[in-house]
Amino acid sequence: DAMVIQNPRYQVTQFGKPVTLSCSQTLNHNVMYWYQQKSSQAPKLLFHYYDKDFNNEADTPDNFQSRRPNTSFCFLDIRSPGLGDAAMYLCATSRGQGIDTEAFFGQGTRLTVV
Amino acid sequence: GQQLNQSPQSMFIQEGEDVSMNCTSSSIFNTWLWYKQDPGEGPVLLIALYKAGELTSNGRLTAQFGITRKDSFLNISASIPSDVGIYFCAGPRYNFNKFYFGSGTKLNVKP
Repeated sequence: DAMVIQNPRYQVTQFGKPVTLSCSQTLNHNVMYWYQQKSSQAPKLLFHYYDKDFNNEADTPDNFQSRRPNTSFCFLDIRSPGLGDAAMYLCATSRGQGIDTEAFFGQGTRLTVV
Repeated sequence: GQQLNQSPQSMFIQEGEDVSMNCTSSSIFNTWLWYKQDPGEGPVLLIALYKAGELTSNGRLTAQFGITRKDSFLNISASIPSDVGIYFCAGPRYNFNKFYFGSGTKLNVKP
């Protein structure tokens, strides 16, 4: 059974039209992450939540926002998508405690901007 | 930014051959993770390493945590077509809350 679930799997949005991607988890993990992955590149961390504490990466554009209303759900909001924002967006979770910690990923949402 | 250097960038091998890839860093990591990503899917965890010198197997996969804590390798024995994909190393930094990824090794297996 899927433990990190992303919806939708594929999203098409218009240039400049706000879009929201969602992620849910059944692992009860403390930490939830959003990564952006462009073709054949490594996932790039955008931000993460440790419980309710939001941690933004220094190079994440202001166009990207996130919300975590509860432990299970986390959302990625792109306020004004540009063509360069087309990518695979990956959600991940981890316990966030101790060295024996691992990150578990959802299947990703492929975003297309037209 | 990325702190993990992964090599080789890509590999073309014949089915049945063994494969080796590695990951190095200028920083010490306390955990090394190896993931496989199929096209259009999220990364799937293959092996996790927690101790320097640790050697761990998962079926045909074997990974080792380098003694210096700055490197790790992944071996795949007797490759099969379904091994095709991109393999990433990863490690947590900054109180274990951030995971950084290597640049990936793209594996192609010829039947």
